[in-house]
Amino acid sequence: AQTVTQSQPEMSVQEAETVTLSCTYDTSENNYYLFWYKQPPSRQMILVIRQEAYKQQNATENRFSVNFQKAAKSFSLKISDSQLGDTAMYFCAFMKLNYGQNFVFGPGTRLSVLP
Amino acid sequence: GAVVSQHPSRVICKSGTSVKIECRSLDFQATTMFWYRQFPKQSLMLMATSNEGSKATYEQGVEKDKFLINHASLTLSTLTVTSAHPEDSSFYICSAARDFNFLRPAFSTDTQYFGPGTRLTVL
Repeated sequence: AQTVTQSQPEMSVQEAETVTLSCTYDTSENNYYLFWYKQPPSRQMILVIRQEAYKQQNATENRFSVNFQKAAKSFSLKISDSQLGDTAMYFCAFMKLNYGQNFVFGPGTRLSVLP
Repeated sequence: GAVVSQHPSRVICKSGTSVKIECRSLDFQATTMFWYRQFPKQSLMLMATSNEGSKATYEQGVEKDKFLINHASLTLSTLTVTSAHPEDSSFYICSAARDFNFLRPAFSTDTQYFGPGTRLTVL
């Protein structure tokens, strides 16, 4: 079974600065997807970024980028130029490659962006 | 595109009654839908996987007779909490996986689209 660990329950960052959220996972699969989801106070889950394990290049979406280390089974999220709207719970998630597979979520990191 | 709705967004009911929550994919067909439960300040816990036209697959520890799931069409799945008790109070979230495209796998689902959630309070 897959497990996802997020070792930082809470983090804070000053507005406009950079912060990195950690995620590690355990799997015997070779092909899979990894995701970061954001859950703001509205509780709507919002996809932040996605990484296919077979791609060596780290995914980037505007101010969000990942550091994917497949051998180390590490998938950290870097948020640059942090904004107040980035304040939310961030969940790391793992999904096997086969269609119809469910997510395995990490416990989450609560990020607060301070003015 | 890829919008998922849930109804109702909030529901309060008396202990012993049943509550139905609907999950709809508004602009795509969802062969597979998932139901999650989230307790305050915790992560999402998968309850069951719902496939259109077949019985749902429940996770270990989830009572299938208490949490009835029906996936009658490619755009609708329902979760019915039967004989609700206060301990069933929680935030329920559904997600939908877009239909698999065998001819163009790259256009198939590689993620899930989440509904906005339903807050259930059982008095």
